[in-house]
Amino acid sequence: KAGVTQTPRYLIKTRGQQVTLSCSPISGHRSVSWYQQTPGQGLQFLFEYFSETQRNKGNFPGRFSGRQFSNSRSEMNVSTLELGDSALYLCASQTGGKATNEKLFFGSGTQLSVL
Amino acid sequence: DQQVKQNSPSLSVQEGRISILNCDYTNSMFDYFLWYKKYPAEGPTFLISISSIKDKNEDGRFTVFLNKSAKHLSLHIVPSQPGDSAVYFCAAPYAGGTSYGKLTFGQGTILTVHP
Repeated sequence: KAGVTQTPRYLIKTRGQQVTLSCSPISGHRSVSWYQQTPGQGLQFLFEYFSETQRNKGNFPGRFSGRQFSNSRSEMNVSTLELGDSALYLCASQTGGKATNEKLFFGSGTQLSVL
Repeated sequence: DQQVKQNSPSLSVQEGRISILNCDYTNSMFDYFLWYKKYPAEGPTFLISISSIKDKNEDGRFTVFLNKSAKHLSLHIVPSQPGDSAVYFCAAPYAGGTSYGKLTFGQGTILTVHP
């Protein structure tokens, strides 16, 4: 079974631009979560989607948005990029229950650099 | 508010010896904990978990201990192998509301196992 696939692996953008990242979950997984990893803040939860609906959201500004398609693939978008948005963006999938007793499977991430 | 803390940024051990990674938490509502391992340029992979109804869980060379009164957990790796060199994160599902996809991660500990 293929793992979580994220594209692209690397991205370089300039301040003020917008960016779209893509994530394909493990086959059969209907929940997709997004995380931001930075050296200073560690891994921080952005949002979670299930059946094309956002079920959970972290404490990020509205410039960060996402969506999920009927095939469970997900995209996240960051508008008006700032230097501080430079980070590794990780996508994770799970079958769809609560995280309490269901582990997340992570992709390799998209490394975004904002210049 | 860092509810899950890993106070040791790094740990260095000799091959064959025990590695002990520590994690403290402040939210007494956490009832499940997970450890993830992360290699460079890869996403975190699930290692082992423990429910708050237990004080120990073992899987091969990996054992996690939970001390609820101290709000402390530790991961023991015995014996340590050079391939165990990675960043280790402890995490807990968000408590106090919907936890879909949302894990609170510690800052991580870089483990280096020397041959």
